[in-house]
Amino acid sequence: EVQLVESGGGLIQPGGSLRLSCAASGFTVSSNYMSWVRQAPGKGLEWVSLIYTSGSTSYADSVKGRFTISRDNSKNTLYLQINSLRADDTAVYYCARDRGSNAWSDYWGQGTLVTVSS
Amino acid sequence: QLVLTQSPSASASLGASVKLTCTLSSGHSSYAIAWHQQRPEKGPRYLMKISSDGSHIKGDGIPDRFSGSSSGAERYLTISSLQSEDEADYYCQTWDTGIRVFGGGTKLTVL
Repeated sequence: EVQLVESGGGLIQPGGSLRLSCAASGFTVSSNYMSWVRQAPGKGLEWVSLIYTSGSTSYADSVKGRFTISRDNSKNTLYLQINSLRADDTAVYYCARDRGSNAWSDYWGQGTLVTVSS
Repeated sequence: QLVLTQSPSASASLGASVKLTCTLSSGHSSYAIAWHQQRPEKGPRYLMKISSDGSHIKGDGIPDRFSGSSSGAERYLTISSLQSEDEADYYCQTWDTGIRVFGGGTKLTVL
């Protein structure tokens, strides 16, 4: 059974940093394309970042230069390093498995909440 | 620019059917999309992928009450025999090289 479990969220001050984790089971992270998607309170889904099987990465313009997606193959875990946090980064962050390089998300985690506030 | 447009809200009665629409931006009418359901306070759940020819690939365990279709730049999700647990937000998603795009979502109310 495919499962994705996010962790690492919390309350963080503006300008701070945080690393989110997404532990996967039932499949191999490194053999799949993986995305991070966020949802601000009361808002819709916003794609954030994608990592290819090759290790190449892609980012939404709104987070480019501040967010870094990565994975640890030995732990079968996906990460999102978030730096220079701003109030508008406040959101639930979801990881998702994608069906391919140009494809849709077919499994989602339950999300982890990041709140940026002083 | 690749954009998906959804109506903010829809409603239908228990036991009835409802058809949700997702519209692709100009020049992108050949793109496939995927539908996702998000119940209150839950993570999204993949429902199905719909191609421009109307063919679809459903997610694991998705009931036959959920079906999809296409016409031009529009992609549809039809839910028949509506149940109370179908009350949720529904998002469409598409993709291109290196990006994913979501529609604004449709909030479905089951009356």
